[in-house]
Amino acid sequence: DGGITQSPKYLFRKEGQNVTLSCEQNLNHDAMYWYRQDPGQGLRLIYYSQIVNDFQKGDIAEGYSVSREKKESFPLTVTSAQKNPTAFYLCASSTEPRVDGYTFGSGTRLTVV
Amino acid sequence: AQSVTQLDSHVSVSEGTPVLLRCNYSSSYSPSLFWYVQHPNKGLQLLLKYTSAATLVKGINGFEAEFKKSETSFHLTKPSAHMSDAAEYFCVVSVSSYKLIFGSGTRLLVRP
Repeated sequence: DGGITQSPKYLFRKEGQNVTLSCEQNLNHDAMYWYRQDPGQGLRLIYYSQIVNDFQKGDIAEGYSVSREKKESFPLTVTSAQKNPTAFYLCASSTEPRVDGYTFGSGTRLTVV
Repeated sequence: AQSVTQLDSHVSVSEGTPVLLRCNYSSSYSPSLFWYVQHPNKGLQLLLKYTSAATLVKGINGFEAEFKKSETSFHLTKPSAHMSDAAEYFCVVSVSSYKLIFGSGTRLLVRP
């Protein structure tokens, strides 16, 4: 079955560490997105990519980095510069958002310990 | 500028009674609109979408929504709530060919 796989489901990070969240899709979608979700704040866009080897900052990109070397993969690195990284992270993909919306992964919950 | 407002942060209903989740949007052109549902610690699942065809849109699990241009609304309804409907619901509007923006969410509580 086609879909988006996010891993790991739960991730714990020590202060000062970088961590990378994985997002893989087999839907042949061109566009991929990373969102952060905090209680009471809805979804906020971190980064998005419309094609391979190209990506743009979203609304809250500071302290995060991404790469898009393959169409199927869009990993997110949470760097030590992100001051409050504890959150639920959602990856999404789409081929034509205005028509089909996004397809979401099941999310990664990151906790700083 | 395009925006979306969910008018209630929490809605509580009894099982078997109707559900109404309210959403207003602002758009300079005819938008595409979506409703998504999220159960705890899960991703978001598409319930239904409006993309300029029929104004009454039917979705999964008995939900439907009506696009009202004159009221700039896209409210989500269901005739009879089920316990499994308890979740968070997001109203979403397209702002470009590649980007959607999300409302702040409405948490639906279903009482037995």
